[in-house]
Amino acid sequence: GAVVSQHPSWVICKSGTSVKIECRSLDFQATTMFWYRQFPKQSLMLMATSNEGSKATYEQGVEKDKFLINHASLTLSTLTVTSAHPEDSSFYICSVPGLLATRYFGPGTRLTVT
Amino acid sequence: AQTVTQSQPEMSVQEAETVTLSCTYDTSESDYYLFWYKQPPSRQMILVIRQEAYKQQNATENRFSVNFQKAAKSFSLKISDSQLGDAAMYFCAYRSANQGGSEKLVFGKGTKLTVNP
Repeated sequence: GAVVSQHPSWVICKSGTSVKIECRSLDFQATTMFWYRQFPKQSLMLMATSNEGSKATYEQGVEKDKFLINHASLTLSTLTVTSAHPEDSSFYICSVPGLLATRYFGPGTRLTVT
Repeated sequence: AQTVTQSQPEMSVQEAETVTLSCTYDTSESDYYLFWYKQPPSRQMILVIRQEAYKQQNATENRFSVNFQKAAKSFSLKISDSQLGDAAMYFCAYRSANQGGSEKLVFGKGTKLTVNP
């Protein structure tokens, strides 16, 4: 069964609005979660590392004020895309550390900004 | 910084045949993990196989096996008896195993595998 869930799986929002994406670790308590962005036919790009109870660590070039990350519990991290624009349209994937250095990935969220 | 290179953007194989996907990486670390992940059209990332750098023995998982050449920094994936369900994007990934090292996964750009019936 699924180890990591994401909600919603698909969302359309208007330009200028904000949208929140949830990532839940179903089988593991996760002090760390990872958020990726994937454009069509491209690889996964790490956006930020979500840390439970503290601030997220953002990758270079990722606007922390635009992509707000909250890791409020050991099983939930949220990514909020603020003031979304069409160029933010993408596929967002979260990941949770698993056993033996592996990662479990959520099913992804497709964001379309109109 | 570590980099992962997949030199084959696309590959195709006939059903029941064998195909090998290439991956090379660059690192100055001595201890690390290497992975192959599969992303089918559903876009759910699935772990295919995992290799620990300190282990000389190549990892195998059923029809999937790797050829790990540490000195050459090469980590190829062999898929035997290819099935239609193997059609997907395959990503090679690297992760440090050093104490205090980065937990980040570094991905290659991927290889799109097509399986022809």
